[in-house]
Amino acid sequence: AQSVTQLDSQVPVFEEAPVELRCNYSSSVSVYLFWYVQYPNQGLQLLLKYLSGSTLVKGINGFEAEFNKSQTSFHLRKPSVHISDTAEYFCAVSELSWGKLQFGAGTQVVVTP
Amino acid sequence: EAQVTQNPRYLITVTGKKLTVTCSQNMNHEYMSWYRQDPGLGLRQIYYSMNVEVTDKGDVPEGYKVSRKEKRNFPLILESPSPNQTSLYFCASQGDYTGELFFGEGSRLTVL
Repeated sequence: AQSVTQLDSQVPVFEEAPVELRCNYSSSVSVYLFWYVQYPNQGLQLLLKYLSGSTLVKGINGFEAEFNKSQTSFHLRKPSVHISDTAEYFCAVSELSWGKLQFGAGTQVVVTP
Repeated sequence: EAQVTQNPRYLITVTGKKLTVTCSQNMNHEYMSWYRQDPGLGLRQIYYSMNVEVTDKGDVPEGYKVSRKEKRNFPLILESPSPNQTSLYFCASQGDYTGELFFGEGSRLTVL
């Protein structure tokens, strides 16, 4: 069975600084990988996804993530954050089938001036 | 506009009083699911449905029921709510096999 570990529960960062959110997963089969963002009092929306092909994936709002199969990681990065990036970020894994998206516990990003 | 709509968005109820949280999607998606979100635990799947009249348990189904009589609707039923079901609930739909979900805005439930 798949599992997802987000290594940081909270990441404080200054505006215009870079940020990296770490995600590791375990699975015995090939997987699809996702990062979702949840802004305050809202539902989750997709930031980016890895299905196949290039291991560097670009998403919305300047975010990107790199799939590393040997390290079973899918870390999310942004070179320069804005105050509006304050949100909770979830890494998720899907094992090539419907209905089994497994989420990590989430990382709260707080951007301060 | 493509969307998943949940109601109510906020609800306070008492132990044992049956309640239903409705969910509707307008994207003609076959797959729908319910999650609950609790601090430090992320999102955990309660139930999912592959199509009309096809439902199955997720990771935390105890205390919940669902039905899928129409493709667009997937209500979550708490027959006898208890305080440990106080949580933030999300309905989601999925349009293809890659696992990308479209979420509703959430329903915050408090059981006293």
